[in-house]
Amino acid sequence: AQSVTQLDSQVPVFEEAPVELRCNYSSSVSVYLFWYVQYPNQGLQLLLKYLSGSTLVKGINGFEAEFNKSQTSFHLRKPSVHISDTAEYFCAVSDNKAAGNKLTFGGGTRVLVKP
Amino acid sequence: ETGVTQTPRHLVMGMTNKKSLKCEQHLGHNAMYWYKQSAKKPLELMFVYNFKEQTENNSVPSRFSPECPNSSHLFLHLHTLQPEDSALYLCASSQAWGTGELFFGEGSRLTVL
Repeated sequence: AQSVTQLDSQVPVFEEAPVELRCNYSSSVSVYLFWYVQYPNQGLQLLLKYLSGSTLVKGINGFEAEFNKSQTSFHLRKPSVHISDTAEYFCAVSDNKAAGNKLTFGGGTRVLVKP
Repeated sequence: ETGVTQTPRHLVMGMTNKKSLKCEQHLGHNAMYWYKQSAKKPLELMFVYNFKEQTENNSVPSRFSPECPNSSHLFLHLHTLQPEDSALYLCASSQAWGTGELFFGEGSRLTVL
């Protein structure tokens, strides 16, 4: 069975400051990892994904994440946030290389960017 | 047309009502999904349809009844719901079950009185 833990339910951050959102997973098989973003009153949008290869993954809007197998983590980072990054961020894991298979989502981290 | 469209965006219903949520995708995908997003809980996969056939039903109560008449349309029929069913219901699609990225709609916010 897979599980995903997002350690912070809320992260306040000032504009232009860096942000890191933590995600830890557990799985007994190979994992494929994803970060989704949900802007207010919208559905989820894929930010980035790790399927194989380089452990540092770059996504849209300046976000990146690093897969760390030994620490079973996939933390999301952005060096300088904007007001428009205010949203909820979800980490997800799949045991299938294709995102369309069953994803297990974390509880989400709400990011509030303050001016 | 946006990729995945859900209607209505907001719905308020009593426990004895019957209503339906509709999802339409314009992406040429063959798999469609219903997810439930409740406050302070992770997203829960409810149903998956692949080429119009139901492939997943995650122990969802029978008061939720999905229907997939074709690969572009997905419905969630609601009857005799409970207040704890109040949530955001998200529809998603992908190329096929087991293939491709998930594309989500904006959700239908359901309130059960």
